[in-house]
Amino acid sequence: DGGITQSPKYLFRKEGQNVTLSCEQNLNHDAMYWYRQDPGQGLRLIYYSQIVNDFQKGDIAEGYSVSREKKESFPLTVTSAQKNPTAFYLCASSSGRRGYTFGSGTRLTVV
Amino acid sequence: DQQVKQNSPSLSVQEGRISILNCDYTNSMFDYFLWYKKYPAEGPTFLISISSIKDKNEDGRFTVFLNKSAKHLSLHIVPSQPGDSAVYFCAASAEGANSKLTFGKGITLSVRP
Repeated sequence: DGGITQSPKYLFRKEGQNVTLSCEQNLNHDAMYWYRQDPGQGLRLIYYSQIVNDFQKGDIAEGYSVSREKKESFPLTVTSAQKNPTAFYLCASSSGRRGYTFGSGTRLTVV
Repeated sequence: DQQVKQNSPSLSVQEGRISILNCDYTNSMFDYFLWYKKYPAEGPTFLISISSIKDKNEDGRFTVFLNKSAKHLSLHIVPSQPGDSAVYFCAASAEGANSKLTFGKGITLSVRP
């Protein structure tokens, strides 16, 4: 079955640590996206990539970094520069304008 | 500047009645609109969409209406069921913006048994 997989489902980060969230898709989609969800804030775009080896900042890119070395993979690194990283992170992919397929999300908590 | 607005954060309806979820947009370049449904701790799932060449699209209990002149769309759920209780996001895309969607903040629907 084609789909998009995020891992891990839960992640705990200590202050000052970088952590990387994984996102893999086997839908052959060109575009991939990272969103952050906070209560009352909806879905805020962090980074997106329309094609391999290219990515663009979204609305809240500060403190995050990404790479797109393969079509199937779009990992997100939450760096120590991100001051409030506790949130629910969603990865999505798409082909054309018919909408996104979302992963099941990663809950990141700072401890 | 929020281009897609869902001004009501929550809605509560009785099981069996109609749920009407509203969405407004400001960008006149938007020409394709979607609704997503999201349960807690899960990713959103696609529900229904509408192109700007139509004013209505129906899929089972779900109907989306588009009023281009008012830059307004609404999702009707009839009849509402307890399993419909979730957060609903309105999203829009514009020609030339590739596939990137702009989302509203979501509305939490509670269907009371």
